[in-house]
Amino acid sequence: EVQLQESGPGLVKPSQSLSLTCSVTGYSITSNYWGWIRQFPGNKMEWMGYISYSGSTSYNPSLKSRISITRDTSKNQFFLQLNSVTTEDTATYYCARYYPGIKYYFDYWGQGVMVTVSS
Amino acid sequence: DTVLTQSPALAVSPGERVTISCRASESVSTLMHWYQQKPGQQPTLLICLASNLESGVPARFSGSGSGTDFTLTIDPVEADDTATYYCQQSWNDPYTFGAGTKLELK
Repeated sequence: EVQLQESGPGLVKPSQSLSLTCSVTGYSITSNYWGWIRQFPGNKMEWMGYISYSGSTSYNPSLKSRISITRDTSKNQFFLQLNSVTTEDTATYYCARYYPGIKYYFDYWGQGVMVTVSS
Repeated sequence: DTVLTQSPALAVSPGERVTISCRASESVSTLMHWYQQKPGQQPTLLICLASNLESGVPARFSGSGSGTDFTLTIDPVEADDTATYYCQQSWNDPYTFGAGTKLELK
């Protein structure tokens, strides 16, 4: 069974970088596309970006200057880095798998990790 | 960005039929998908490509629509359906989500 698990610090100071890991089991990240989505307090959801089976990436233009998604295929993990965070980046961060073969929707999600940006 | 507008909340009685709407600010063809999110949990996929039921999802759930107007129907509603329902489009970049419709049972 495909499982995704986010991990990382729950508290980040303003102006610092947020770094999260998504550990995948049951499916190789060298197959398919993998994404990051965040959900703000109040429940608004935002697609942040993806990394493909080949390592190519695409980002939401609203984040393009601050975001980086990378991977470690040997550990079957992919990563999110968001720079220069502010309190507006406080959210629950989810990693998710795109449905295999197409890049339209997400069929497996991690449980999410809540990240608070505060001094 | 494509804005998806959903009604904020609905309250229905068990056994009734409920329709949840999602209106896009521009056409998304049939690249609209629906998720259910229960409190404290991650979203789960219900309907893909406007009307295709995800494997394992009860047949009480159905989806319809194309272009800018889409509907998720639950018939009949059960107590376990208490959740927030989100639409998501993938026709226009960046992909966007609706604000969610909170379904409560009377």
